[in-house]
Amino acid sequence: QVQLQESGPGLVKPSETLSLTCTVSGYSISSGYYWGWIRQPPGKGLEWIGSIYHSGSTYYNPSLKSRVTISVDTSKNQFSLKLSSVTAADTAVYYCAGSGTTPGFDPWGQGTLVTVSS
Amino acid sequence: DIQMTQSPSSLSASVGDRVTITCQASQDISNYLNWYQQKPGKAPKLLIYDASNLETGVPSRFSGSGSGTDFTFTISSLQPEDIATYYCQQYDNLYTFGQGTKLEIK
Repeated sequence: QVQLQESGPGLVKPSETLSLTCTVSGYSISSGYYWGWIRQPPGKGLEWIGSIYHSGSTYYNPSLKSRVTISVDTSKNQFSLKLSSVTAADTAVYYCAGSGTTPGFDPWGQGTLVTVSS
Repeated sequence: DIQMTQSPSSLSASVGDRVTITCQASQDISNYLNWYQQKPGKAPKLLIYDASNLETGVPSRFSGSGSGTDFTFTISSLQPEDIATYYCQQYDNLYTFGQGTKLEIK
């Protein structure tokens, strides 16, 4: 059973870089799934941030592309998100998710709240 | 960018009712559409992929249909545990979620 767990700081200062890691268990990250980050501001809907394929190819939401980097560390079976120059508008629950057996995002991590505040 | 418009944004129904949510894409996305259920404080759960295929383990009262730009999600007989927010998501060109439909019990 594939399981995902997000980790990283819960508080980030404005203008700094948000960094999160997703640890995958039950599956080798390099074997064929693709991996993504999705966020949800408090009380609002879901926003896809970006995805990385097992080949290393990355795809980003055009509205965030200039600030986002997603990478994979196969040695640790993890993938990561960096979002630069954050503002209060980036405050959200950040989810990591995988997609492989079906074209939808499944499974998901439990989510982690990141607050942008000084 | 492909925009996804869901309606209604909220819905109140009684146990046993048939519930229908619609999702419209801003351009033809064939059948590249998923539906998710999100309960408060929880991660979304994939219910339907490729517009009409039920994910393993999902009750048969859930169904989806449509292709092109117009899609429908249906709960045939609403159960108390179905109270949640439902999202459509296209994956024809990158990924876009609809704004969600909050379903409440009347």
